[in-house]
Amino acid sequence: GQQVMQIPQYQHVQEGEDFTTYCNSSTTLSNIQWYKQRPGGHPVFLIQLVKSGEVKKQKRLTFQFGEAKKNSSLHITATQTTDVGTYFCAGASGSARQLTFGSGTQLTVLP
Amino acid sequence: DAGVIQSPRHEVTEMGQEVTLRCKPISGHDYLFWYRQTMMRGLELLIYFNNNVPIDDSGMPEDRFSAKMPNASFSTLKIQPSEPRDSAVYFCASSGTVLFGTQYFGPGTRLLVL
Repeated sequence: GQQVMQIPQYQHVQEGEDFTTYCNSSTTLSNIQWYKQRPGGHPVFLIQLVKSGEVKKQKRLTFQFGEAKKNSSLHITATQTTDVGTYFCAGASGSARQLTFGSGTQLTVLP
Repeated sequence: DAGVIQSPRHEVTEMGQEVTLRCKPISGHDYLFWYRQTMMRGLELLIYFNNNVPIDDSGMPEDRFSAKMPNASFSTLKIQPSEPRDSAVYFCASSGTVLFGTQYFGPGTRLLVL
């Protein structure tokens, strides 16, 4: 079945440093979504990427979808304490009608 | 809109008991999803419905788990009998008219089976 690997599992950064998390799928994806989950909370949708090579920005967050539509990344510039949480990617495979979540990257921002 | 509503928010039960989790999706959404989240296995899709019809239940762990959606505004996930390994956070999510479009998650039900 479809597998989505996400690295790193944990990341500790000093406030102001940058942060990147990566997702790799075993199969070609129809789209990839990113979610953020605060400690004790529920996943909250951030963005969806559909096109090969697509890049989208939300303020300090930059999302990329690979040319082969099998990998994606989320980059946060100049992290803030409000960025703390776990970031998940979720890959959708149209042909297999599956949505598979990555294992998440837990981000800790030290003040 | 109130968003996706789940109840109860917390449930503590003893092994062997029946557990029923409830979900009210966002009005007008065609898709409803049930997820389970644990430290060991992460976020797992259990089952999803389209217009109240179960489409894919391949993620349901075993026959002890069942889910229903009797109407567009209500769904249940039932575990009978419950076991300690079922302890997890169970999320319900809904999305609009596109399969695997933006998903809106409920606050979750934290289940502890003793």
